[in-house]
Amino acid sequence: NAGVTQTPKFRVLKTGQSMTLLCAQDMNHEYMYWYRQDPGMGLRLIHYSVGEGTTAKGEVPDGYNVSRLKKQNFLLGLESAAPSQTSVYFCATLPDGRSNSPLHFGNGTRLTVT
Amino acid sequence: KNQVEQSPQSLIILEGKNCTLQCNYTVSPFSNLRWYKQDTGRGPVSLTIMTFSENTKSNGRYTATLDADTKQSSLHITASQLSDSASYICVVSPVWAAGNKLTFGGGTRVLVKP
Repeated sequence: NAGVTQTPKFRVLKTGQSMTLLCAQDMNHEYMYWYRQDPGMGLRLIHYSVGEGTTAKGEVPDGYNVSRLKKQNFLLGLESAAPSQTSVYFCATLPDGRSNSPLHFGNGTRLTVT
Repeated sequence: KNQVEQSPQSLIILEGKNCTLQCNYTVSPFSNLRWYKQDTGRGPVSLTIMTFSENTKSNGRYTATLDADTKQSSLHITASQLSDSASYICVVSPVWAAGNKLTFGGGTRVLVKP
């Protein structure tokens, strides 16, 4: 089992360009999350999904959109990239809503916006 | 606002030595506290999860302690190895939360030198 796979691993964008980050999981987990990690700061939640066809805003959703058309995939889109979106993006999953479950993380996408 | 503060921000230890990382939180009410290990260029991996009723939990050479009264936790690494070089992240969950309400600390970066 691959667990949580994120693509691409690295990307450089110019300001104003768009892109989509893909998160794929093979664990049949219901809940999926997109976080960003910036130096010296804790992970911050961008958007999340509690099941196929559902999405919700997290702490820092502005400038991002998401879709969960299939249970195993969670896409994060940047419509018009800005330098402030330079960050490392992590996808994570939970099997269900039980709060004592550990998050399963992918290995991240490092995005630079110039 | 819920906060999780970790100290120190970074530390260097010699291989074979012990070290202790601190986590102070203001999250209330409180359900569980988690410690994650994040290797460079990788996603966080769960080390321990403790509920409010647990005082200590071990995972190999890692031992986490929790004092829910003072809202403090520590992670003790025994007989450190080079592979322990990583960032260690403290994460706190409110009672009613799944992954969408977790509060992440900024992490402690540990470097183990031979």
